[in-house]
Amino acid sequence: NAGVTQTPKFRVLKTGQSMTLLCAQDMNHEYMYWYRQDPGMGLRLIHYSVGEGTTAKGEVPDGYNVSRLKKQNFLLGLESAAPSQTSVYFCASRDRPTYEQYFGPGTRLTVT
Amino acid sequence: KQEVTQIPAALSVPEGENLVLNCSFTDSAIYNLQWFRQDPGKGLTSLLLIQSSQREQTSGRLNASLDKSSGRSTLYIAASQPGDSATYLCAVTRYSGGGADGLTFGKGTHLIIQP
Repeated sequence: NAGVTQTPKFRVLKTGQSMTLLCAQDMNHEYMYWYRQDPGMGLRLIHYSVGEGTTAKGEVPDGYNVSRLKKQNFLLGLESAAPSQTSVYFCASRDRPTYEQYFGPGTRLTVT
Repeated sequence: KQEVTQIPAALSVPEGENLVLNCSFTDSAIYNLQWFRQDPGKGLTSLLLIQSSQREQTSGRLNASLDKSSGRSTLYIAASQPGDSATYLCAVTRYSGGGADGLTFGKGTHLIIQP
């Protein structure tokens, strides 16, 4: 039982490049989330999903897209990366009865 | 809009002391409150989860309390050890009926336990 995993762990992009971050969970959770963590700002919700095929915007969705084609996977895409998207990205999934969230190890992204 | 505040922002104490970390939130309509630990460069580890109907939860040397009506939670760490050094984050799940909201986080308390 790996819990929540994220790929890749680190990435450096140039402004304007695109990339996809992958989150996978093996706990059969319906709900999944993407957060970003920035110094002095704390963690903020980007997008979330309440089930396969559904997505919704969080607090800071601009510049990101997401997809949930399979229940166990939640993808975060950056179509045209900007330096303001330099951050650490965390994925989480949520246990339905308790609403407890479980986090992945994070992806550290630098956009130059 | 829900806001979560953690006080103090940083704390440095000698080993062995008991200590209290504080968390406050502006909207009392929460589903639960979670305390997390984050080590430098690492992910978040869930420490304690308190449902809105509960008053406290305990795990080993950790005890978390919740006063939903006043919008406050405390994390009590007994007999602190150098291995407790980390950033502690408080987060609330806003109750929205559909229950689909994510967590709103405080900015954390950076804790250093001196050997």
